[in-house]
Amino acid sequence: QKEVEQNSGPLSVPEGAIASLNCTYSDRVSQSFFWYRQYSGKSPELIMSIYSNGDKEDGRFTAQLNKASQYVSLLIRDSQPSDSATYLCAVRFTGRRALTFGSGTRLQVQP
Amino acid sequence: GAVVSQHPSRVICKSGTSVKIECRSLDFQATTMFWYRQFPKQSLMLMATSNEGSKATYEQGVEKDKFLINHASLTLSTLTVTSAHPEDSSFYICSARGPGGSDEQYFGPGTRLTVT
Repeated sequence: QKEVEQNSGPLSVPEGAIASLNCTYSDRVSQSFFWYRQYSGKSPELIMSIYSNGDKEDGRFTAQLNKASQYVSLLIRDSQPSDSATYLCAVRFTGRRALTFGSGTRLQVQP
Repeated sequence: GAVVSQHPSRVICKSGTSVKIECRSLDFQATTMFWYRQFPKQSLMLMATSNEGSKATYEQGVEKDKFLINHASLTLSTLTVTSAHPEDSSFYICSARGPGGSDEQYFGPGTRLTVT
């Protein structure tokens, strides 16, 4: 069974720190990887997509992909209380049209 | 770009009645849309994949006669919860693959269904 795994948290970091969120997946040939943010009571919002090994930066966010080790991570620099949310890792496994989501990591940024 | 809307945002209905939820892609055409359900403090659960002009593909364990999906145009998919019961109360969210068939999925704002 193809799976995406995340630590449920909560991950607590002080304001201004770097938050590091990790995700592992089961299918080595997967091509597309995504990070979504979901605030309580709201729907998921796409933050980053990454398709090749290495780092991809967008503002305070950096996604890192290592296909050999089958993990993808999200770094949030200068964390703000408004970043407090659940972060969902998603993978498009070969042969499936829908993304497979992890259960999410809850991030708490302490003021 | 890639905006998805849902209507209604919130609905309360009586047990035994049916409820229709609409999902629209506002600024792009979506041949494929997805319907999810999320219970409080739980992860997203994919219910079905909605295909424009053809039958939906349901995930294992999802009753296709209870959750009717119609994808009649490139910008509209509907989910009808038939004969709703209190255990159907949940947060229903649709999403669409981005323009040009990209792998990115964009979510609608969700519909909170309460069955009394």
